[in-house]
Amino acid sequence: GIQVEQSPPDLILQEGANSTLRCNFSDSVNNLQWFHQNPWGQLINLFYIPSGTKQNGRLSATTVATERYSLLYISSSQTTDSGVYFCAVPFRTGGFKTIFGAGTRLFVKA
Amino acid sequence: NAGVTQTPKFRILKIGQSMTLQCAQDMNHNYMYWYRQDPGMGLKLIYYSVGAGITDKGEVPNGYNVSRSTTEDFPLRLELAAPSQTSVYFCASSPRGGYTDTQYFGPGTRLTVL
Repeated sequence: GIQVEQSPPDLILQEGANSTLRCNFSDSVNNLQWFHQNPWGQLINLFYIPSGTKQNGRLSATTVATERYSLLYISSSQTTDSGVYFCAVPFRTGGFKTIFGAGTRLFVKA
Repeated sequence: NAGVTQTPKFRILKIGQSMTLQCAQDMNHNYMYWYRQDPGMGLKLIYYSVGAGITDKGEVPNGYNVSRSTTEDFPLRLELAAPSQTSVYFCASSPRGGYTDTQYFGPGTRLTVL
């Protein structure tokens, strides 16, 4: 089945720093999503980005489907950015499945 | 809109007990999903539904059952709880299909089986 790998697994930033999170996937995809899970466990959609680039405030994401990777950029990080960032790939093999990566755990220090 | 709601928030079960995790959404979404998240791990799909009366297995369906009698509700049933089912359970919904759509998640149910 499709493999989704995220890097780095853990990241510690000083407030105000920039970072790039990466998601690699092993097969062609028609959709890719980025989620943020805050320290209280709540999951929030960030981007639905099967290809191209999208921006939302300090966050932006780029997916290069032909090369099977997606990047999430966080600029001017804030302590509220802390949590776990997941990428997820839905696909069909018989039935519908969604495969999540293991996540990147981010801690932003004040 | 309340979005996706889940009850209970926390539950402790003894081995062999049964329970139902409730999930409801008020966004008129056709697709609904159940995931589990083990400590320090990503989410794994348990079951999903593409509409009332239609359900299908995800990656890790063993030990669980679901039903979808209405568009709004998608309960998850654990029949004989085992310690391996200790996890956080998330319900989600999407308007069409996660294949081309964004999923909206509930707050989760933290289940411990002792």
